Amino acid sequence: NAGVMQNPRHLVRRRGQEARLRCSPMKGHSHVYWYRQLPEEGLKFMVYLQKENIIDESGMPKERFSAEFPKEGPSILRIQQVVRGDSAAYFCASSGQTGIGTDTQYFGPGTRLTVL
Amino acid sequence: DAKTTQPTSMDCAEGRAANLPCNHSTISGNEYVYWYRQIHSQGPQYIIHGLKNNETNEMASLIITEDRKSSTLILPHATLRDTAVYYCIVSPDSSYKLIFGSGTRLLVRP
Repeated sequence: NAGVMQNPRHLVRRRGQEARLRCSPMKGHSHVYWYRQLPEEGLKFMVYLQKENIIDESGMPKERFSAEFPKEGPSILRIQQVVRGDSAAYFCASSGQTGIGTDTQYFGPGTRLTVL
Repeated sequence: DAKTTQPTSMDCAEGRAANLPCNHSTISGNEYVYWYRQIHSQGPQYIIHGLKNNETNEMASLIITEDRKSSTLILPHATLRDTAVYYCIVSPDSSYKLIFGSGTRLLVRP
């Protein structure tokens, strides 16, 4: 019973390059969430997606960041023209049914992005 | 902003119970109390959650006061591997964004 998978686990980019982070939810889960953790800070919500739909992107920076969760394949968090301030750990979580108090979000191991 | 307040840090001896308190005085009737922990820089690990009744699983127990304004996470026999930052979060259900506060940094001493 595989958990949430993220790849790559570590990603190094130079300023101005693009970063693509992938997240495969737990089997049977159709809801994906992305969180960012800056060094020495807590996790901050970025975006919540269901298959082919963005439900809540209130935590996404207005520029350079985008997310998708296609009908087939993993969810992708894309950061264009990265800057040093994007260096952080990016965590993905997934959940099953909505509105069910017995369910919860399960997190992946994260992708650590370093921008040189 | 987080709707919970927790002590910044705590410690306990290995093998003893660790009791981590959380205040959530503005909790709404439909909000659950969730507990997660983050060991070093790993992904947050779900521990337990509850609405009104006390809950227990293989990892921990959750005690929620009758007025629901506070709760306590109990690790019955803490081990060194329980050293982590513990987050108490209130949320309507699993599909809502989780708002992480600063958490409690628990140090389990040998």
